[in-house]
Amino acid sequence: QVQLQESGPGLVKPSETLSLTCTVSGGSISSYYWSWIRQPPGMGLEWIGNIYYSGSTNYNPSLKSRVTISVDTSKTQFSLKLNSVTAADTAVYYCARLTYRNVFDIWGQGTMVTVSS
Amino acid sequence: EIVMTQSPATLSVSPGERATLSCRASQSVSTNLAWYQQKPGQAPRLLIYGASARATGIPARFSGSGSGTEFTLTISSLQSEDFAVYYCQQYNNWPYTFGQGTKLEIK
Repeated sequence: QVQLQESGPGLVKPSETLSLTCTVSGGSISSYYWSWIRQPPGMGLEWIGNIYYSGSTNYNPSLKSRVTISVDTSKTQFSLKLNSVTAADTAVYYCARLTYRNVFDIWGQGTMVTVSS
Repeated sequence: EIVMTQSPATLSVSPGERATLSCRASQSVSTNLAWYQQKPGQAPRLLIYGASARATGIPARFSGSGSGTEFTLTISSLQSEDFAVYYCQQYNNWPYTFGQGTKLEIK
């Protein structure tokens, strides 16, 4: 079965760039949208953006100016870059698969990223 | 963006009883509404999509209803493993948005 695993630094300094990678295993990265979603401590969920395996993207307008999502089909990975981070970007970051029904059916375990000097 | 509002924020119910959770959208989302369950330290799990269709492997005690702006998630007979936080999410319009969650706790 398909599994997702986030990886990347757990601590990022203010004003720097947060970079995370999600590795897809047990299945194909093709024919699906792949998403990033975050959850600040004790708070709700915020959709960050999606990428199709072909490379087309959709971003949340609230983050669009700072976000880049990319895909590497040869490595079955997709990545998130969020620049100019502040403490407000501290959150658990999840990667997830978006099905053709437009729901998130498979999630990674999540990775906590803290923005602090 | 569409704002999703869940009520109540916390619901206290005894095991074996029925729980009813509500979700309201700031504008119509048709039936493009999903429900997720999240337990502490875990990722959310898809329960319901299309407002009323159960996802693969979800027990029949979970049911969803509604359309337009008003939605309900019902858990018919609460089991110990059902106490968690529940989120609704609309996927009718970009950006996809989630409610703030309802915490279902043991009474």
